[in-house]
Amino acid sequence: QVQLLQSGTEVKKPGSSVKVSCKASGGTFNNYAFSWVRQAPGQGPEWMGGIIPVFGTTKYAQKFQGRVNITADESTTTIYMEVSSLSSDDTAVFYCTRGKWSSNYAMDVWGQGTTVIVSS
Amino acid sequence: EIVLTQSPATLSLSPGERATLSCRASQSVDTYLVWFQQKPGQAPRPLIFDASNRATGIPARFSGSGSGTDFTLTISSLEPEDFAVYYCQQRSTWPTFGGGTKIEMK
Repeated sequence: QVQLLQSGTEVKKPGSSVKVSCKASGGTFNNYAFSWVRQAPGQGPEWMGGIIPVFGTTKYAQKFQGRVNITADESTTTIYMEVSSLSSDDTAVFYCTRGKWSSNYAMDVWGQGTTVIVSS
Repeated sequence: EIVLTQSPATLSLSPGERATLSCRASQSVDTYLVWFQQKPGQAPRPLIFDASNRATGIPARFSGSGSGTDFTLTISSLEPEDFAVYYCQQRSTWPTFGGGTKIEMK
């Protein structure tokens, strides 16, 4: 069964960093591209960036370039996203998604979401 | 960045009625357009990919059409479980989402 299992809720201070994980199961890990999507309360989803593990390549939305780092650990089939310099604008649900690596970061399968709360 | 504009922002309809949702792109995305459904507290669920292909398990009452810059999602006869927010998303360039259309019960 295809599944993306994300880490739990995080509460962070402004200016700090957060690292969220996404464990992929089902399917061949290297056949896919993985993305992270942010959804602030009451807002639409927003693609942050993605990684294609088989090539080791990453791509980031311009808005998040330099502040987000996405990595992959093939040995544990886990994707990570680290966001630095957190502000209250980063209070959101973050989703891990998966699609075929050839499909320009298609988002066919979604994780359950990780809530990040940024508050002083 | 390709901007997707969805209209209307809200649709007030009754079960059994037809819903027509629009998504317009700021430049051509060919047919690289996906429609998602999202219910409160849940992740978005893909409904239609490549503008007109239903995802696995999606009922036939959902259909998508369009290419280039203008796209439509049609729900032929609304069921109670269809009242939700719908987003379009393009993957012609790095992915972007529209602002969403909420279908609410009249």
